[in-house]
Amino acid sequence: DTEVTQTPKHLVMGMTNKKSLKCEQHMGHRAMYWYKQKAKKPPELMFVYSYEKLSINESVPSRFSPECPNSSLLNLHLHALQPEDSALYLCASSQELPAYEQYFGPGTRLTVT
Amino acid sequence: DQQVKQNSPSLSVQEGRISILNCDYTNSMFDYFLWYKKYPAEGPTFLISISSIKDKNEDGRFTVFLNKSAKHLSLHIVPSQPGDSAVYFCAASAGSSNTGKLIFGQGTTLQVKP
Repeated sequence: DTEVTQTPKHLVMGMTNKKSLKCEQHMGHRAMYWYKQKAKKPPELMFVYSYEKLSINESVPSRFSPECPNSSLLNLHLHALQPEDSALYLCASSQELPAYEQYFGPGTRLTVT
Repeated sequence: DQQVKQNSPSLSVQEGRISILNCDYTNSMFDYFLWYKKYPAEGPTFLISISSIKDKNEDGRFTVFLNKSAKHLSLHIVPSQPGDSAVYFCAASAGSSNTGKLIFGQGTTLQVKP
C-alpha cells in the first residue's frame, strides 16, 4: 500500500476561520511533509517531520501550525489566513531521513475568501 | 536562484514516439534526482529516480539519464502513450546531508497526441 490520503479534498474558508487539514499514511514511513503548490508552479516545502518531531520549518508564517500526533498522522492547522494562501496543499511521506523517494497525497484545494 | 531548471514549459509528441524531458541543475551537492508526474487536481506521482553514482536507470518505458559533468538529466519515455500526458517535475536532493528537502523544477507539460 503506497497511499497517502488527505482530507478534505476541497476547503473554502474565510479569513477569520480556523480549520485543519489532515494527512494519513500506513506505509510505516517515519518522515512526513507539508508542501504548498500554487497554479503552474512547483511544490514548495513548508514543514518536515521526522519521527514525529518537527525537523524543518521553511520560515512559514505562524498562521500555519503543523502537528504530528503519531507516526501515521499529520495535521496542518489554519488560522487567520489570507487570500494569497489559496493553493493546493500536499502532504508527502518517506521511509525516514535521509529521504529519497517521497510519496504524495492527492492534496487539499484550499480557497480563502 | 533556481537550482533546478526545466527550460521547456511544454512538449508535444505523437503516440508511439519517444518523449524526452530535460532538466538542468546548478548545485553540485545534489546527489539524488527524481521525476514526478502530475495530473491536474492530483498530487505528484513518483516515477523514477537516480543516484549520482549511476548514469542511467530504467523502469519499463521510463529511463532516466544523468550527466554529472554537464549537471543535466533527462527522462525518456518510450513508447509514449496518450495517458502519459501530464506535467512532469524534475526534483533533486542533497542525499548525504539530506534534510528531506526536495528542490523541484518548474515542470514540463507533456502532450501525447493519438
